[in-house]
Amino acid sequence: QITLKESGPTLVKPTQTLTLTCTFSGFSLSTSGVGVGWIRQPPGKALEWLALIYWNDDKRYSPSLKSRLTITKDTSKNQVVLTMTNMDPVDTATYYCAHSFLHSGWAFDYWGQGTLVTVSS
Amino acid sequence: AIWMTQSPSLLSASTGDRVTISCRMSQGISSYLAWYQQKPGKAPELLIYAASTLQSGVPSRFSGSGSGTDFTLTISCLQSEDFATYYCQQYYSFPYTFGQGTKLEIK
Repeated sequence: QITLKESGPTLVKPTQTLTLTCTFSGFSLSTSGVGVGWIRQPPGKALEWLALIYWNDDKRYSPSLKSRLTITKDTSKNQVVLTMTNMDPVDTATYYCAHSFLHSGWAFDYWGQGTLVTVSS
Repeated sequence: AIWMTQSPSLLSASTGDRVTISCRMSQGISSYLAWYQQKPGKAPELLIYAASTLQSGVPSRFSGSGSGTDFTLTISCLQSEDFATYYCQQYYSFPYTFGQGTKLEIK
C-alpha cells in the first residue's frame, strides 16, 4: 500500500530556510505517470498547493512562492525534498506531501499525515 | 490562475439528509476537478476525481457532477462520519487551486 510521511523541523525562525522531507513507500517516483506534491494549510484555513515533481523530473511551483521554493527527488531513497527560503510567520502551517497519479486523473490520491511548522523568533 | 468559488462555506444538516456543495470556476476546466474530505487534525482524503469518478473505497452515497465551470458534490444520505470539511480542487492548469472549503456540521 502507498504511504507517505513528512519530516522536518517543527519550529523555524523568521528568515531561516525550511527543509521538509517526504519519505514514501508503495510506489516509485521513477515510474511513468507518478508525481509527488506539497500542499500546506495554515491553522483554521484552506489548503494551498505549493509544488509538484514528476517521475521525469518535471517540476511545477506556485507562482506566488516560486522564488522561495525548490523541490527535488531522490529516487533511490524514495524521498522528495521541499525547501522554502526566507520563512515568515505567515508560513506557519501544516505541510502535507501527497501522491499524484495519471490514472487517478492527477488528483492527490494519497496524503501524508502532515507536519506542523511554526515560524517564530 | 483559475479562481474557484466554493459554496456554502457552512452547511448545517441532519443525519439522513441529502446535501449538495457547489464549486464554480473562473474559467472552464473540463472535468479536471477533485473533491476531498478533511476531518479535524487529519489529512484530506480524496473522494472524487475527474469530477464524477468515485475513488476506490469511498461510499456510493457520495457523487460528483459537472464539467466546464460548475461542479457539485452530493451526499445522498448523510451519515455521522460525514460531518467534516470538504474541498474542491482543480488540476486543469497550474497553479493548482483549492476552494475555500465547506464545513458540514450537525444541525
